[in-house]
Amino acid sequence: LAKTTQPISMDSYEGQEVNITCSHNNIATNDYITWYQQFPSQGPRFIIQGYKTKVTNEVASLFIPADRKSSTLSLPRVSLSDTAVYYCLVGSLGQGFSFIFGKGTRLLVKP
Amino acid sequence: NAGVTQTPKFRVLKTGQSMTLLCAQDMNHEYMYWYRQDPGMGLRLIHYSVGEGTTAKGEVPDGYNVSRLKKQNFLLGLESAAPSQTSVYFCASRPVGDSGNTIYFGEGSWLTVV
Repeated sequence: LAKTTQPISMDSYEGQEVNITCSHNNIATNDYITWYQQFPSQGPRFIIQGYKTKVTNEVASLFIPADRKSSTLSLPRVSLSDTAVYYCLVGSLGQGFSFIFGKGTRLLVKP
Repeated sequence: NAGVTQTPKFRVLKTGQSMTLLCAQDMNHEYMYWYRQDPGMGLRLIHYSVGEGTTAKGEVPDGYNVSRLKKQNFLLGLESAAPSQTSVYFCASRPVGDSGNTIYFGEGSWLTVV
């Protein structure tokens, strides 16, 4: 599985756009890029997944450059409730079944 | 929809005691996982299962055993609890046929070993 590197923490203010970048230099051809969100005292939940270019859903956008060695999770107009830990996960079923998470990025949204 | 359910949610154990955490999923998922998360840390994979009757070790398997006798259940056992096993335990499951990384988590089980 591709190793990922994310910033340990980020601060933002309500209403701002937040971009969290994940580096995954050894991503494999079959790997997908998936982001999870974890609130305190809860299990992580799926936010968005992509393979290449750009993916958008009602919660976030995921930007993946052509070389796929990094990806950026974009949260538009964050609110206090977006304060959470965000995990980038890179892998695929074809790579194996054990999904290993990194330490994630702690996002603090301030009023 | 229940999704992934963990029991118990909270438990206090004395050092040396044993216990079992139960994970149940009603989504007919083939793959199931047990993670632990220590305060301020990320998730670490303990054991996982790719199907009924099969289990495999993850990153931190020592001190834990697992069983997957039924497809919908994945049990995590602590034979002789140690204070270092104080943590939050998360169970997760994943559907077969999903080539990506969509994993569904339970709400967690808080375990304190004194």
